[in-house]
Amino acid sequence: GAGVSQTPSNKVTEKGKYVELRCDPISGHTALYWYRQSLGQGPEFLIYFQGTGAADDSGLPNDRFFAVRPEGSVSTLKIQRTERGDSAVYLCASSLSTANTEAFFGQGTRLTVV
Amino acid sequence: KQEVTQIPAALSVPEGENLVLNCSFTDSAIYNLQWFRQDPGKGLTSLLLIQSSQREQTSGRLNASLDKSSGRSTLYIAASQPGDSATYLCAVRPVTGGGNKLTFGTGTQLKVEL
Repeated sequence: GAGVSQTPSNKVTEKGKYVELRCDPISGHTALYWYRQSLGQGPEFLIYFQGTGAADDSGLPNDRFFAVRPEGSVSTLKIQRTERGDSAVYLCASSLSTANTEAFFGQGTRLTVV
Repeated sequence: KQEVTQIPAALSVPEGENLVLNCSFTDSAIYNLQWFRQDPGKGLTSLLLIQSSQREQTSGRLNASLDKSSGRSTLYIAASQPGDSATYLCAVRPVTGGGNKLTFGTGTQLKVEL
């Protein structure tokens, strides 16, 4: 596609449930990033992939969060046993490589845990 | 740990006014700095990217400057228009650590009034 696509755009789930958020990067972009943006804050880094492997997952808050990118394209962010504090906008970005190139962001998935 | 601060947090100006948004960062070891625009409920749109070796970048009515040694960047918007109303975020990429892992400020919320 022309840009980074994220689905769903909105997700409401009950506390304790499992959710998956999907990111489809720009075609040909080998690097993919996940960020989380809480209300009134700037985005915070979660994890990034170079190809299929997670090159840096230091931003994942705890082991309830996990992300995969099995074929080096689409990525899925998985959250187990969701908590109300997980409510935020989850942003995905991609870049041509992890070298000095510009990151392009998707529109985000707004997750609300009730 | 890199910290990025943006001042002011919010700004309201009449249409046609020239304005300056400020961004400061604590660690001058950056690879580049990027300015983004975020509309309510939307993702991030990249406006300008300045490499660490550059002093400024221009795109239309926007001009971004970078003073790496003092840890400051400014985004200058000329002849502001109501369509410029949005939140403006700056983000820095570190020299070390690899990847396009960005640290964001909390943003300046701009409103341009008719």
